[in-house]
Amino acid sequence: QKEVEQNSGPLSVPEGAIASLNCTYSDRGSQSFFWYRQYSGKSPELIMFIYSNGDKEDGRFTAQLNKASQYVSLLIRDSQPSDSATYLCAVPDNFGNEKLTFGTGTRLTIIP
Amino acid sequence: DTEVTQTPKHLVMGMTNKKSLKCEQHMGHRAMYWYKQKAKKPPELMFVYSYEKLSINESVPSRFSPECPNSSLLNLHLHALQPEDSALYLCASSQEGWPGNQPQHFGDGTRLSIL
Repeated sequence: QKEVEQNSGPLSVPEGAIASLNCTYSDRGSQSFFWYRQYSGKSPELIMFIYSNGDKEDGRFTAQLNKASQYVSLLIRDSQPSDSATYLCAVPDNFGNEKLTFGTGTRLTIIP
Repeated sequence: DTEVTQTPKHLVMGMTNKKSLKCEQHMGHRAMYWYKQKAKKPPELMFVYSYEKLSINESVPSRFSPECPNSSLLNLHLHALQPEDSALYLCASSQEGWPGNQPQHFGDGTRLSIL
């Protein structure tokens, strides 16, 4: 049974600071990793995906992948109140069957 | 606005009603999905269609019946639902790829309430 674990939070970060969200996964063969943002009452929105070890930057967001340690993280620089949401880590199966395993999500609150 | 369109946005129905949820995408994606999401929980996969054929049914009760009329459309037919079926129902689509490394894009969802 593949597992994807996240700290459920809530994680409170002051406005302008860096928010760091972490995700660990159990399947060492996992190749792809997705971060979704979900505002309360809304649907998940893809914000980052990463396939290779190291960092991937997109605007204020940086995804970091360490396959040896089986963790993937999301950094949000210059946090804004609009970043307050639940962040879901998702890992696809390795069998081409399009299944995603989601973590339970981390609830992030940016404090003005 | 998302590129996956779901209708209706809200639906209230009785336990004896029959209704359908609709999903449409025009991104040329070849895989489409139905998820159920309860409050404060991650999305829970229900069905996957790949190239218009049902490829995954996650042991969903038969009161939920999916249909994929063509590569752009996905329906979820509902009949004799229970109050515990009240949830946000999400449709998603993705380019099919190996090893499942194509991200899924979600619609805005249908908020379903069973009376």
